[in-house]
Amino acid sequence: DSGVTQTPKHLITATGQRVTLRCSPRSGDLSVYWYQQSLDQGLQFLIQYYNGEERAKGNILERFSAQQFPDLHSELNLSSLELGDSALYFCASSGGGDQPQHFGDGTRLSIL
Amino acid sequence: KNEVEQSPQNLTAQEGEFITINCSYSVGISALHWLQQHPGGGIVSLFMLSSGKKKHGRLIATINIQEKHSSLHITASHPRDSAVYICAVRSRSGAGSYQLTFGKGTKLSVIP
Repeated sequence: DSGVTQTPKHLITATGQRVTLRCSPRSGDLSVYWYQQSLDQGLQFLIQYYNGEERAKGNILERFSAQQFPDLHSELNLSSLELGDSALYFCASSGGGDQPQHFGDGTRLSIL
Repeated sequence: KNEVEQSPQNLTAQEGEFITINCSYSVGISALHWLQQHPGGGIVSLFMLSSGKKKHGRLIATINIQEKHSSLHITASHPRDSAVYICAVRSRSGAGSYQLTFGKGTKLSVIP
């Protein structure tokens, strides 16, 4: 058990819809990272938050946004969903700096 | 060309064999991760290293910073080692922040 909790585990929705994925980091971890894993692209870094502030952006689409709340949990919002957004979305947390990242079990998003 | 290249893509081994998975990268990094992803999808961080060698049980990871190369070795392989092994390099993406760039993974199957 990594200590990182992601909900929901599975999400099925339709094109054009909007969904919110939630991540609770390990106790004490200030950094949260979001990743997307699709069959054709593999794992890709989306965005990082540290103690409520955005720290780094990767290959995140404009239709996607994220935030980290004062209690350090984070949400990834995906809107105007397309078939190609079907993927596993992972959250990871770390203590920041040189600390290793710990991954949640992922949310599997299926767009019909 | 991917910044992180892994070889082989697929590997089948007999139980008990010594296994090596290789990772080469082309960017400057502050650390390299080896991750394990089981068929259920969950990701476990095996090692994070920035120099030399680390050992945990039957797993050994080495890195050569000058040659931009890392290897993951599994001694006395077992069917429960069957998984996808992913190399990820950590590089700076801004002041105090880092991001991971992933290889496409090596799918290992260990046959009894």
